[in-house]
Amino acid sequence: GESVGLHLPTLSVQEGDNSIINCAYSNSASDYFIWYKQESGKGPQFIIDIRSNMDKRQGKRVTVLLNKTVKHLSLQIAATQPGDSAVYFCAENWGSGGYQKVTFGTGTKLQVIP
Amino acid sequence: DGGITQSPKYLFRKEGQNVTLSCEQNLNHDAMYWYRQDPGQGLRLIYYSQIVNDFQKGDIAEGYSVSREKKESFPLTVTSAQKNPTAFYLCASRDRGYEQYFGPGTRLTVT
Repeated sequence: GESVGLHLPTLSVQEGDNSIINCAYSNSASDYFIWYKQESGKGPQFIIDIRSNMDKRQGKRVTVLLNKTVKHLSLQIAATQPGDSAVYFCAENWGSGGYQKVTFGTGTKLQVIP
Repeated sequence: DGGITQSPKYLFRKEGQNVTLSCEQNLNHDAMYWYRQDPGQGLRLIYYSQIVNDFQKGDIAEGYSVSREKKESFPLTVTSAQKNPTAFYLCASRDRGYEQYFGPGTRLTVT
């Protein structure tokens, strides 16, 4: 909802510039990571994912980097557009089969300045 | 048009009343989840269900109840025992992969 963005770290970026959003995760056993985008008043939407056996994955205008040594994940958005303004958060997953556990980060608010 | 729906978008209740939030999906997903989202905090898991007629408590289940009588439906009841019920509630479903598909959310305000 609208108030989700309050109290969150905010990244302000000029339209057309690249954005980098960071996430520190906690569990070294996590084997799958997802970045979600949440626009104001809406539910989160999947952006991109990465498995723990990879260190980089690219999508359309987005790249996710994974550094398992320091348990750090980043989301890079190229040529940021006003429609990219939202809260972004990472999710770490572990477990398999019928049991899966997921922990969501608190999120970063991205503000795109036209 | 497949998806997951939640209703209503906004809900207002008086303190002491139970209230039920609706969640429906036509994605044929087995697993469904309820999360609570508060300002400045990550999503916190209330309840989840891996299959029809089965559900498990999440990290903050106290004051909430659920049912899973149908694959498509996973309603959440916020009871009067929930001390701080005002929040944004998100329902999600998952197929066999890790990605969760979220509904649009319900903002509950209790006064």
